[in-house]
Amino acid sequence: AQTVTQSQPEMSVQEAETVTLSCTYDTSESDYYLFWYKQPPSRQMILVIRQEAYKQQNATENRFSVNFQKAAKSFSLKISDSQLGDAAMYFCAYRSVGTGNQFYFGTGTSLTVIP
Amino acid sequence: KAGVTQTPRYLIKTRGQQVTLSCSPISGHRSVSWYQQTPGQGLQFLFEYFSETQRNKGNFPGRFSGRQFSNSRSEMNVSTLELGDSALYLCASSPVSPQGPSEQYFGPGTRLTVT
Repeated sequence: AQTVTQSQPEMSVQEAETVTLSCTYDTSESDYYLFWYKQPPSRQMILVIRQEAYKQQNATENRFSVNFQKAAKSFSLKISDSQLGDAAMYFCAYRSVGTGNQFYFGTGTSLTVIP
Repeated sequence: KAGVTQTPRYLIKTRGQQVTLSCSPISGHRSVSWYQQTPGQGLQFLFEYFSETQRNKGNFPGRFSGRQFSNSRSEMNVSTLELGDSALYLCASSPVSPQGPSEQYFGPGTRLTVT
């Protein structure tokens, strides 16, 4: 079975600074999706960024970008110019391409933004 | 478009009882997945339904069951509740894609407390 590992249970960053959250995964598949989800204290989980494994270019969404290292099976999230609203639980997730394949989530990283 | 809705938002039950949770996906989404979220365990996949058929199932006991209706609304049922079933139950819907769900949209969750 695929596994997703987030080795940093908690992280903190000063407002306006940059922080990187780590994620590694284990799979024998060659085609898959990787995701970062954000869950603020209100509990609504929202998608931050998505990466298709066949794309070599790293995905970016405004202040959020990823460093996708396929050979190393690593998928880190960089948050630039951190804002107070970025404080949340961040989950890394994986899904193989194809119907009938489930999403696998890491255990999450709790990010605190210090004013 | 309205987002994923879940009812009820909070529920308190006693051991041995059963409970039914409801999820209405985003209009047009035919895939609905359920997750159990507990501190330290992250999100554990329960099952996925697509067009009224269970397409995938996680590693949970048979006390956990679900179904999907023709309008894509889904319910999950937990029978003979145990204290360990206390958790946040999240529902997520996905748009149809030939390669399976490429992303999920989450509801606010149902907080179940078993006493």
